[in-house]
Amino acid sequence: QSALTQPASVSGSPGQSITISCTGTSSDVGGYNYVSWYQQHPGKAPKLMIYEVSNRPSGVSNRFSGSKSGNTASLTISGLQAEDEADYYCSSYTSSSTSVVFGGGTKLTVL
Amino acid sequence: QVQLQESGPGLVKPSETLSLTCTVSGGSISSYYWSWIRQPPGKGLEWIGYIYYSGSTNYNPSLKSRVTISVDTSKNQFSLKLSSVTAADTAVYYCARQMYTAMVNWGQGTMVTVSS
Repeated sequence: QSALTQPASVSGSPGQSITISCTGTSSDVGGYNYVSWYQQHPGKAPKLMIYEVSNRPSGVSNRFSGSKSGNTASLTISGLQAEDEADYYCSSYTSSSTSVVFGGGTKLTVL
Repeated sequence: QVQLQESGPGLVKPSETLSLTCTVSGGSISSYYWSWIRQPPGKGLEWIGYIYYSGSTNYNPSLKSRVTISVDTSKNQFSLKLSSVTAADTAVYYCARQMYTAMVNWGQGTMVTVSS
């Protein structure tokens, strides 16, 4: 199964908003509302930030939001803060193998 | 709050079987799906597979021939076995609680190196 496609890196200044894209196919991102987003700081385990495209788990800042259009899902972080600097991964259900597929990851740099 | 902790050997010889256990605390394993995910050094995440407490499983097709995930509800644990390992299986291995397709809670991860 192919990984979902994410940009390798994005950057932004404190206070700005950034968006990370996650592109798949109609067999995964486009076909189901089962897209999740994870934040991973160096040497730490990933943390769930968004599930089912746009839902935030309890305790996750409302600066993080998710959306989807066609075969592309997006994670938007508003009011960028230094602590947001991390790697971000998307994932989706895939019907091609009835399993889970991850994106390649995006490194967010806060300038 | 559910907590997960991976345990097992940090070094495995090529062609042998990697075995890891995940202990769940703060909640019963007798619900939800329980997954294994791995991350090679400097690379992205790869879903390995999950098990439901009843014992039903689903594996990543690329690893399916070598993977077995099992559960021991009496010990609140689930386990991963990966056979015929090579250097490409060197990674940090995470266990997680999966709800639908979201990994809601993660263990801290354990590094496994495949080397002679």
